Amino acid sequence: EVQLVESGGGLVQSGRSLRLSCAASGFTFDGYAMHWVRQAPGKGLEWVSGISWNSSSTGYGDSVKGRFTISRDNAKNSLFLQMNSLRTEDTALYYCVREIRYDEYSSSFDHWGQGTLVTVSS
Amino acid sequence: QSVLTQPPSVSGAPGQRVTISCSGSSSNLGAGYDVHWYQHLPGTAPKLLIYGNFNRPSGVPDRFSGSKSGASASLVITGLQAEDAADYYCQSYDSSLSAPVFGGGTKLTVL
Repeated sequence: EVQLVESGGGLVQSGRSLRLSCAASGFTFDGYAMHWVRQAPGKGLEWVSGISWNSSSTGYGDSVKGRFTISRDNAKNSLFLQMNSLRTEDTALYYCVREIRYDEYSSSFDHWGQGTLVTVSS
Repeated sequence: QSVLTQPPSVSGAPGQRVTISCSGSSSNLGAGYDVHWYQHLPGTAPKLLIYGNFNRPSGVPDRFSGSKSGASASLVITGLQAEDAADYYCQSYDSSLSAPVFGGGTKLTVL
């Protein structure tokens, strides 16, 4: 059974840093690209960042570019998100998500963790 | 403002049929990228409902169906049930942004 378990969330002051982790199990971790998706209170889903299976390619949403860094450790089946210069608008539930690719024009997010809550205070 | 446009809410009585639309542009759905749909119940992780425009993952009832035409897509739920009350999101890829994109979400109310 695929499991994605996030940790590292909490209450932090604006301008500070936080590091999220995601422990993956139940599948061959290094066979999949992974992502972080967040949901702010009362808002919809927002893609935050993604990383290829071998870390050769990473991507970031415009709202976090330059502040957040995604990484992974395939030996430990783990995904990370280093969040620096946090803002109040980064307050959200952060989901660790597995990508499944079907072809060049199609990939979806087929497994989601339960999320870890990040609250940024002013 | 989301890249993919969905109605904020839809509603229907038990047993009825509802349709949730997802409108994109020439850099995402119109460029040939597939649409995927997720069901998000409060307090739970989002669940992949439809992938590749119309495919259902194992375990998803055939009451849920998806379609795509050009830069638009639709999710249809027939035989509405109380447990279908949730938020529904469409998702695709945008070549201009070089990023996955979501619709703003549609809240389904079962009357």
